[in-house]
Amino acid sequence: DAGITQSPRYKITETGRQVTLMCHQTWSHSYMFWYRQDLGHGLRLIYYSAAADITDKGEVPDGYVVSRSKTENFPLTLESATRSQTSVYFCASSGETDTQYFGPGTRLTVL
Amino acid sequence: GQQLNQSPQSMFIQEGEDVSMNCTSSSIFNTWLWYKQDPGEGPVLLIALYKAGELTSNGRLTAQFGITRKDSFLNISASIPSDVGIYFCAGFRGGSNYKLTFGKGTLLTVNP
Repeated sequence: DAGITQSPRYKITETGRQVTLMCHQTWSHSYMFWYRQDLGHGLRLIYYSAAADITDKGEVPDGYVVSRSKTENFPLTLESATRSQTSVYFCASSGETDTQYFGPGTRLTVL
Repeated sequence: GQQLNQSPQSMFIQEGEDVSMNCTSSSIFNTWLWYKQDPGEGPVLLIALYKAGELTSNGRLTAQFGITRKDSFLNISASIPSDVGIYFCAGFRGGSNYKLTFGKGTLLTVNP
């Protein structure tokens, strides 16, 4: 299917475990982004990528790792999950414009 | 980091009423975007504005790019129950990384 997808949609994990959230887009967009959304903070940028093998930190990168070996995939890894990382995570992509298109989100709970 | 000031934070209105919300910034943006987020879903683009003073409509939605380039407005006319959701403004300043700055959102509730 065309568009941007995220998996899993829901995840429950325990403190200290490694978790990887997947993001896949079929538009061949150059830019991809990871955000977290929390009450009172809105959308905050975690990491972004301008192309395959090019990534950069956003506003709240601590505790997260990203990679982009292929243009269409942009996984986000929590190396050692903490309760403060309980959130809803959104992936987005954009072509050579400023308009970003968002995935449906992953709701992550860290116990 | 830079935040956009979006207001109001929430609105509770009756079906059929018109709605207005706005975003302001202390600095200039070259593009303003308005998104809507339904419960449990990701934000969806409603309107994009690219020129100061521009007024753009999408059905019952009308948005304006402020003449100073530091603000933008979104109006919804004759609201209906499916207008319920969170509305976000986003600004793009320019440059090659295409990062957006977001407002914190306006939660709209429509009473049938």
